[in-house]
Amino acid sequence: SYVLTQPPSVSVAPGQTARITCGGNNIGSKSVHWYQQKPGQAPVLVVYDDSDRPSGIPERFSGSNSGNTATLTISRVEAGDEADYYCQVWDSSSDHPGVVFGGGTKLTVL
Amino acid sequence: EVQLVESGGGLVQPGRSLRLSCTASGFTFGDYAMSWVRQAPGKGLEWVGFIRSKAYGGTTEYAASVKGRFTISRDDSKSIAYLQMNSLKTEDTAVYYCTKSVTTVTTFDYWGQGTLVTVSS
Repeated sequence: SYVLTQPPSVSVAPGQTARITCGGNNIGSKSVHWYQQKPGQAPVLVVYDDSDRPSGIPERFSGSNSGNTATLTISRVEAGDEADYYCQVWDSSSDHPGVVFGGGTKLTVL
Repeated sequence: EVQLVESGGGLVQPGRSLRLSCTASGFTFGDYAMSWVRQAPGKGLEWVGFIRSKAYGGTTEYAASVKGRFTISRDDSKSIAYLQMNSLKTEDTAVYYCTKSVTTVTTFDYWGQGTLVTVSS
C-alpha cells in the first residue's frame, strides 16, 4: 500500500517560515491535501489540490508538490499555528485503492 | 453554515455492533460524498470509508482494515450518513469523525466534532 512519510516534529520561531514535508513515491503525480488539527479539535482543511486554499485560510499557508515530496509552507508563523499537520492523498495505484494519510507532524512554535 | 454532528458512540464489548450517525445541515446533503475518518487515542488519522452521492451511484469504498465489517449508508431525505460497525475489535477504539467531501470525493472540507467509540470488555 502507498505510504506517506512526514517528520514527527518541526519547530520554528514566531515570524519565521515553517516547512512541513510529505514524502511518497511519485507523489507529484497525485493531488495532496493538508489538514491542521489543534488539541481536542477536529481537523481543518488548510490546503487542497497541492496548493489551493479554502476560503478563510490565511495566505500564509501555501503548498507545493513535485517529484517525491509535497511541502506545506507556513509563512510568518504565529503561536496559533501550533498544531498537528497531516498530508493526505487518494491512492488508486495499489490493488486496494484508498485514502492515505501521513503520520502527522507536530509544529511547535518556540 | 455547514454542520456535521456525530452520535452513537460509546463503550461496546469486542465482537458486538454499533451504529454511528452523522446528521448534516447547511448544505444540499444529497449532492456530496460523505466519509468517515477515525483517530485512535494519541494517534494519527485513519480513513475508514466513504459513500458517493446518488448522482455517482451511491457506491462505497472502505479501508482494508474495516472492509467486510463496516458499512456506510446514507438517507438523503434526512441528511444523515451512517456507519454500521460489526464484529468490533479493541483496535477499533477511536474518535470517529464524519466528513463532507468537496467536489472531489477524497478531499474533506468539513468535519464533525467526532464521537468516541471504545471497544473493551
